[in-house]
Amino acid sequence: DADVTQTPRNRITKTGKRIMLECSQTKGHDRMYWYRQDPGLGLRLIYYSFDVKDINKGEISDGYSVSRQAQAKFSLSLESAIPNQTALYFCATSSGIGPYNEQFFGPGTRLTVL
Amino acid sequence: QKEVEQDPGPLSVPEGAIVSLNCTYSNSAFQYFMWYRQYSRKGPELLMYTYSSGNKEDGRFTAQVDKSSKYISLFIRDSQPSDSATYLCAMTETSYDKVIFGPGTSLSVIP
Repeated sequence: DADVTQTPRNRITKTGKRIMLECSQTKGHDRMYWYRQDPGLGLRLIYYSFDVKDINKGEISDGYSVSRQAQAKFSLSLESAIPNQTALYFCATSSGIGPYNEQFFGPGTRLTVL
Repeated sequence: QKEVEQDPGPLSVPEGAIVSLNCTYSNSAFQYFMWYRQYSRKGPELLMYTYSSGNKEDGRFTAQVDKSSKYISLFIRDSQPSDSATYLCAMTETSYDKVIFGPGTSLSVIP
């Protein structure tokens, strides 16, 4: 079974709709992240959480919110989706142990906002 | 100027070729340098990591860091079709800091 899972894997929605992307992990890691990936821009950090009570904005948090429901669950919400939020979204985890902060990624959610 | 820059490609090479992938960066505080590989429709996975300047070799892969030039490279020897993927460089100051990713270079190795 995958260590980091994301649901849904694909979603098409309309402008103005509220969308929630969910992430679950079985790695036992405290740190969780949400990234979006766009062609030519690479991976950009939206939000991150170092434990259940810790939530931090990344470089592109406007228009997004998150909830860390448990150590294993971290969800991303788009309160009112707009077309430029069309992207590939990745959840990731890390243990925080070791110097490289290795990120373990889920399979991604492809979101299209019409 | 972006914090980490990388030629997006696409790069297409014949099987067996030596491939060179490169990134430049602007933050001199970065100490830990990584390469992630991302296959189509998958999340990135860590391929190699190095600390500070120097070389690291792992099988057909060699990572090089030149901190004085703020330049890192990944070399792939005897490239294989299974190496076809997007390669993202990544770097961080410490394990407590955010990892900054380059935009990725798309590589195709043609049989």
